[in-house]
Amino acid sequence: NAGVTQTPKFRILKIGQSMTLQCTQDMNHNYMYWYRQDPGMGLKLIYYSVGAGITDKGEVPNGYNVSRSTTEDFPLRLELAAPSQTSVYFCASSYGLTNEKLFFGSGTQLSVL
Amino acid sequence: LAKTTQPISMDSYEGQEVNITCSHNNIATNDYITWYQQFPSQGPRFIIQGYKTKVTNEVASLFIPADRKSSTLSLPRVSLSDTAVYYCLVGDMAEQAGTALIFGKGTTLSVSS
Repeated sequence: NAGVTQTPKFRILKIGQSMTLQCTQDMNHNYMYWYRQDPGMGLKLIYYSVGAGITDKGEVPNGYNVSRSTTEDFPLRLELAAPSQTSVYFCASSYGLTNEKLFFGSGTQLSVL
Repeated sequence: LAKTTQPISMDSYEGQEVNITCSHNNIATNDYITWYQQFPSQGPRFIIQGYKTKVTNEVASLFIPADRKSSTLSLPRVSLSDTAVYYCLVGDMAEQAGTALIFGKGTTLSVSS
């Protein structure tokens, strides 16, 4: 089982550049999430989706956009990269919302210089 | 919004039992308590989940008192490989669904030989 797959694993961006972090899951989960984790800190929820075509903001959505056109894919878009977006990004999925365990990808380490 | 409080760090030696307590005073009636483990450069991994009393699996035990305002993750006979960050999550019922899965800073467990 592949589970949750994230690409790329590492990326360096210049200030003002844009990029898309890819996330796909093969578990037919309805719910998908994007978190960021700054060094030594916990995870902060950026956006989440409860199903194809439905997305909503989490704790720290500014500077990011998401879309959910299929059950499997949940890409995260950075439009104008800023140094404050240097972080490790984790995608996760779950079958349900509350009371359901999350399955995480291996993360994307992003540096904005 | 259920909020959790955990110790920032704990130290232990190989072979000892480790108990990490999480406080969640505002837990709602339908909330479950879930614990995750995170190794460096990896996404969090589900350890155990419970609603009340005691839950045990091959990795850990989870003790929840009758008032459910706290929970204790118990790791029997830890080894060096148990060095990780441990997160306690309490699922909010989804009036604001995005707040249901908030990770705090977790507890950094360091196991020494």
